[in-house]
Amino acid sequence: GENVEQHPSTLSVQEGDSAVIKCTYSDSASNYFPWYKQELGKRPQLIIDIRSNVGEKKDQRIAVTLNKTAKHFSLHITETQPEDSAVYFCAARKDEKLTFGTGTRLTIIP
Amino acid sequence: DSGVTQTPKHLITATGQRVTLRCSPRSGDLSVYWYQQSLDQGLQFLIQYYNGEERAKGNILERFSAQQFPDLHSELNLSSLELGDSALYFCASSANRGTNEKLFFGSGTQLSVL
Repeated sequence: GENVEQHPSTLSVQEGDSAVIKCTYSDSASNYFPWYKQELGKRPQLIIDIRSNVGEKKDQRIAVTLNKTAKHFSLHITETQPEDSAVYFCAARKDEKLTFGTGTRLTIIP
Repeated sequence: DSGVTQTPKHLITATGQRVTLRCSPRSGDLSVYWYQQSLDQGLQFLIQYYNGEERAKGNILERFSAQQFPDLHSELNLSSLELGDSALYFCASSANRGTNEKLFFGSGTQLSVL
């Protein structure tokens, strides 16, 4: 089955700086890659996603890049703000199954 | 509010017992997914249903079972509970039509096995 690895497991950045979270996947047949944000005690919420026919997607301060050859994708958050503090999960989908990474706890230092 | 409803929000029970978790998907969504999240852990995929039929299975224990009813709500049954089953159980739904794959999560059921 699909295996998704996510790094780093924890990340602290100064407010205003950029944060990058990286994921790799094992199955080249995976074709959809969403990112979820989970604030403390809350449900995971989709923040951005990308399909395998696209190399990059941007939504305001958030961007995702995909390298199909290397089988890795990354989340980029620019101009970080305190409300960006949360756990972020990447995921890869093959057929009907969505496999999540282990999560990155992002802390924004004021 | 995601539109996905999970009940109960909290459940406290003893080892060896059996519990049922309930999920109502967003209006119009045909797919329901169940995930388990242990303390400081990721989201472990358990099982997926689409329009009443099992579509994909993950690391679901034999003591666990699920079903999706004609009105599209789903139930996750956990039996012979062990301490290690204590976790946050999320239900998610998606339209799953064409390229519409986005998952919307419920608030979860926090299960504590004592």
